[in-house]
Amino acid sequence: NAGVTQTPKFQVLKTGQSMTLQCAQDMNHNSMYWYRQDPGMGLRLIYYSASEGTTDKGEVPNGYNVSRLNKREFSLRLESAAPSQTSVYFCASSGSRGRLSTNYGYTFGSGTRLTVV
Amino acid sequence: AQTVTQSQPEMSVQEAETVTLSCTYDTSENNYYLFWYKQPPSRQMILVIRQEAYKQQNATENRFSVNFQKAAKSFSLKISDSQLGDTAMYFCAHAGGTSYGKLTFGQGTILTVHP
Repeated sequence: NAGVTQTPKFQVLKTGQSMTLQCAQDMNHNSMYWYRQDPGMGLRLIYYSASEGTTDKGEVPNGYNVSRLNKREFSLRLESAAPSQTSVYFCASSGSRGRLSTNYGYTFGSGTRLTVV
Repeated sequence: AQTVTQSQPEMSVQEAETVTLSCTYDTSENNYYLFWYKQPPSRQMILVIRQEAYKQQNATENRFSVNFQKAAKSFSLKISDSQLGDTAMYFCAHAGGTSYGKLTFGQGTILTVHP
């Protein structure tokens, strides 16, 4: 089925460990995003990639890095995990090319629950 | 910067009744989209309804409809004939025309439908 695939679905890290969250979409979308969801705060944008070859910071980028490997894949890396990064992480993609169109669509992955102890 | 506010942390409704979830937003853009997403316990983000700001007509999708008041920057969701499967977290979100599709979310409203 077409959509956004995130791996892993669950992960427990020790403080200071590193890991990479993987995301791939097969809808030929140009834009991809990483959000984190925390109780009472909704989803907040960490990083986004408007198109292949570009990445930009979102609202809460500190402690994270991203790579837009190709049009399909957009990974999120935690270099030195901290308890404050315990959260649910969502990858998403959209057909936006920077200008909203009448066919604007937005698809989310199923999320990764990350716990840092 | 855009902001989205959902002032109702929790709501409850009896099955078959109608409930309205509130959302206000702030933006400096003229061209934008507004969304309501549903997040059941499975964690999946499901699009409920979408409204283009340039359209005056309120969007409807079966039992779901919105009351879009552009001047007041208000975007409420009405769920008619509530069903047990409507129990979920609901998020209001905004995407600006010049923001490369970045969504700004509200804090969420937990809706519980009682039998």
